[in-house]
Amino acid sequence: IAGITQAPTSQILAAGRRMTLRCTQDMRHNAMYWYRQDLGLGLRLIHYSNTAGTTGKGEVPDGYSVSRANTDDFPLTLASAVPSQTSVYFCASSDAKGSGTDTQYFGPGTRLTVL
Amino acid sequence: GQNIDQPTEMTATEGAIVQINCTYQTSGFNGLFWYQQHAGEAPTFLSYNVLDGLEEKGRFSSFLSRSKGYSYLLLKELQMKDSASYLCASMDSNYQLIWGAGTKLIIKP
Repeated sequence: IAGITQAPTSQILAAGRRMTLRCTQDMRHNAMYWYRQDLGLGLRLIHYSNTAGTTGKGEVPDGYSVSRANTDDFPLTLASAVPSQTSVYFCASSDAKGSGTDTQYFGPGTRLTVL
Repeated sequence: GQNIDQPTEMTATEGAIVQINCTYQTSGFNGLFWYQQHAGEAPTFLSYNVLDGLEEKGRFSSFLSRSKGYSYLLLKELQMKDSASYLCASMDSNYQLIWGAGTKLIIKP
């Protein structure tokens, strides 16, 4: 079944540790996104990539980095995790042609707890 | 600044109709999206409006007024499985989505 996968499903991490959240899509979408979702707040964009080889900063990029070596994969790295990064992280992808086909499709999410 | 407002929570009865409102202010506008999110799951796409008016899709309809910066999602013949959060998002001039905090819809028998 086509779609987006994320790994791990959940993780408990000690503060100061490095962590990479994985995201893979098989829909050949050119654009990919990383969001965090916190209670009472809307989804907030961390980083995005409009096409393989390019990345951009979203609303809340500090403490996170991304890479986009190919179309399918878009890993998110926390270099040194802090408790405020406890959240649910969603990866999404879209065709991003500047029209209604910009609909974003979401992966199942990663629940991250930083202690 | 950019802002999306929608009610935090609404309650409705099974079989009834409910309207979830959303007002938006974004830098530019390239469409208004509604997503459904069940607890512990990912958001899933419901509707997209870029022109004024009503778009109907089965039990769900979405309305847009660009001049008022206003949209609503109308759910008819409510079922228990419609209990979820409904997320409103406006696409800005950079084709980025600006999200509301979501409306938690509680359906009672």
